[in-house]
Amino acid sequence: EAGVVQSPRYKIIEKKQPVAFWCNPISGHNTLYWYLQNLGQGPELLIRYENEEAVDDSQLPKDRFSAERLKGVDSTLKIQPAELGDSAVYLCASSVTGTSYEQYFGPGTRLTVT
Amino acid sequence: GDSVTQMEGPVTLSEEAFLTINCTYTATGYPSLFWYVQYPGEGLQLLLKATKADDKGSNKGFEATYRKETTSFHLEKGSVQVSDSAVYFCALRGMDAGNMLTFGGGTRLMVKP
Repeated sequence: EAGVVQSPRYKIIEKKQPVAFWCNPISGHNTLYWYLQNLGQGPELLIRYENEEAVDDSQLPKDRFSAERLKGVDSTLKIQPAELGDSAVYLCASSVTGTSYEQYFGPGTRLTVT
Repeated sequence: GDSVTQMEGPVTLSEEAFLTINCTYTATGYPSLFWYVQYPGEGLQLLLKATKADDKGSNKGFEATYRKETTSFHLEKGSVQVSDSAVYFCALRGMDAGNMLTFGGGTRLMVKP
């Protein structure tokens, strides 16, 4: 079974530029998460999708961050414009909705804003 | 709100040493507790879990017991290997949190031959 796929793995951009990250969850997983992981810290949830609906986006900085999950499968997280403080690892995870769950994480995209 | 506190790393051990990584939590009710492991260059993987008080989660020689009285979920392994070198994250899922996980800050383990 293929795991959660993320691309790109690394991205270096200048501040004020836009950037997008892509995630393909495990087949059949209808719940998708985007996390932010700063250096030396644990992941923090940005947004959670149930199928194509964003059910928890309270931690997403909506002035510059946006996300979409068209057709309830792949998802894209965008930052526009990027700031120096956005340098971090962006993790995508997926799970099956229900009482028996486990979140499966992708390898992440390491973003460096210069 | 819910929170998880882990011992700071890095933890450096020699091969075959005994490992303990402390984890304590704050949450209402009876959360589910987890340990995730992140090997270099890889995503987080679920290592073990416990869903109610006194449960013991175990996997790959690692163990952790859900202690409600001390709000703790310490990770232990009797004999570590070089291949156990990774970052370990303690996490909880609150009773009213749906599938949302709250993570600790992570503890880096370095095992030397």
